[in-house]
Amino acid sequence: GEDVEQSLFLSVREGDSSVINCTYTDSSSTYLYWYKQEPGAGLQLLTYIFSNMDMKQDQRLTVLLNKKDKHLSLRIADTQTGDSAIYFCAESMSYKLIFGSGTRLLVRP
Amino acid sequence: GAVVSQHPSWVICKSGTSVKIECRSLDFQATTMFWYRQFPKQSLMLMATSNEGSKATYEQGVEKDKFLINHASLTLSTLTVTSAHPEDSSFYICSARDHDPPPANQPQHFGDGTRLSIL
Repeated sequence: GEDVEQSLFLSVREGDSSVINCTYTDSSSTYLYWYKQEPGAGLQLLTYIFSNMDMKQDQRLTVLLNKKDKHLSLRIADTQTGDSAIYFCAESMSYKLIFGSGTRLLVRP
Repeated sequence: GAVVSQHPSWVICKSGTSVKIECRSLDFQATTMFWYRQFPKQSLMLMATSNEGSKATYEQGVEKDKFLINHASLTLSTLTVTSAHPEDSSFYICSARDHDPPPANQPQHFGDGTRLSIL
């Protein structure tokens, strides 16, 4: 079945790295995505990775994909208070996106 | 680039009113737009897929007569919540996908959402 799972909450200190994990079920997903949602707002696309890649880096963001284990992670280096938000991973299934439950990231000063 | 505008951002109305929400792609053309519903502290639930020039495809359990979708142009889709009741109160978010290059290579870009409160 379709199921994308994430841990619900992560708290880090400002300046530390954050790692948000996600597992998905559909091995045929071609793309996997990370979105950020701030309170009362829509979703902002952070980055995405094609399924034949293992890693993608974009400034402070690093995405790791373990296709064998169907595990996706988002690492945020030098986490800032402005990074506090909910982070959703999503897998593509046909033309749709299947979202995880979201991980609430709290950055402590 | 890839900006999606959603309007209104917040609406409060009486029970029985119909409410229209607009979703526009500002700097690209979107053959396909999506409508989601999000309950507090929960993930996004896909309601329907809106295809330009054809009928929308609704997810299981979503009433098509309740949530009317129109996608009349490549830059505009509308969601109308007909005869809204308090249980329809929620956060509604649209997204759009650029039609070129092929959709499989394009991520969805989201609007800022509409908070609907029915009294």
